[in-house]
Amino acid sequence: GQNIDQPTEMTATEGAIVQINCTYQTSGFNGLFWYQQHAGEAPTFLSYNVLDGLEEKGRFSSFLSRSKGYSYLLLKELQMKDSASYLCAVMDSNYQLIWGAGTKLIIKP
Amino acid sequence: IAGITQAPTSQILAAGRRMTLRCTQDMRHNAMYWYRQDLGLGLRLIHYSNTAGTTGKGEVPDGYSVSRANTDDFPLTLASAVPSQTSVYFCASSEASGSNEQFFGPGTRLTVL
Repeated sequence: GQNIDQPTEMTATEGAIVQINCTYQTSGFNGLFWYQQHAGEAPTFLSYNVLDGLEEKGRFSSFLSRSKGYSYLLLKELQMKDSASYLCAVMDSNYQLIWGAGTKLIIKP
Repeated sequence: IAGITQAPTSQILAAGRRMTLRCTQDMRHNAMYWYRQDLGLGLRLIHYSNTAGTTGKGEVPDGYSVSRANTDDFPLTLASAVPSQTSVYFCASSEASGSNEQFFGPGTRLTVL
């Protein structure tokens, strides 16, 4: 079957760095996505990786290793507004997104 | 309209009633999707449409139907609601099937009693 695993909850301190991991097993691979979802709101797109390596976008970076079925989202210089759920999703061979349950990130002052 | 909208924002529904959730986008996107989001589970695809006039079944289609008469609108119908359909429903769209980014509507919170 298809499976996306990510931690349920993480806590970090304002100004620090946090890494959210995601492992996946899917039927085919056409890219890995990270979305941010604030409580009560819609998911919004953060990043897309289809090749191995690191993609940097401001304070956020996303890494992919296809051979290991592994990705992480790195958030630097954490701000209180970064408190949200972070969703990992993989596009499978049918070009459908398979979603993880999300990681709730709590930022403490 | 800017982006993708959904209606209603929330609804409480008696079991056995019929309900249509509305979704409209003004980005001229070809592909549209309906997901449900339940606590502790990832978003699950209910139905999708790659282009106007075509629809397909996702991971959890039972009890739901969709239509895509034009590019902009993609309504989701529950023919006879059951309590297990209590969830938050998100509509999304993308330029094409397999596009890098999906844009999400604000969601509809549905409670079936």
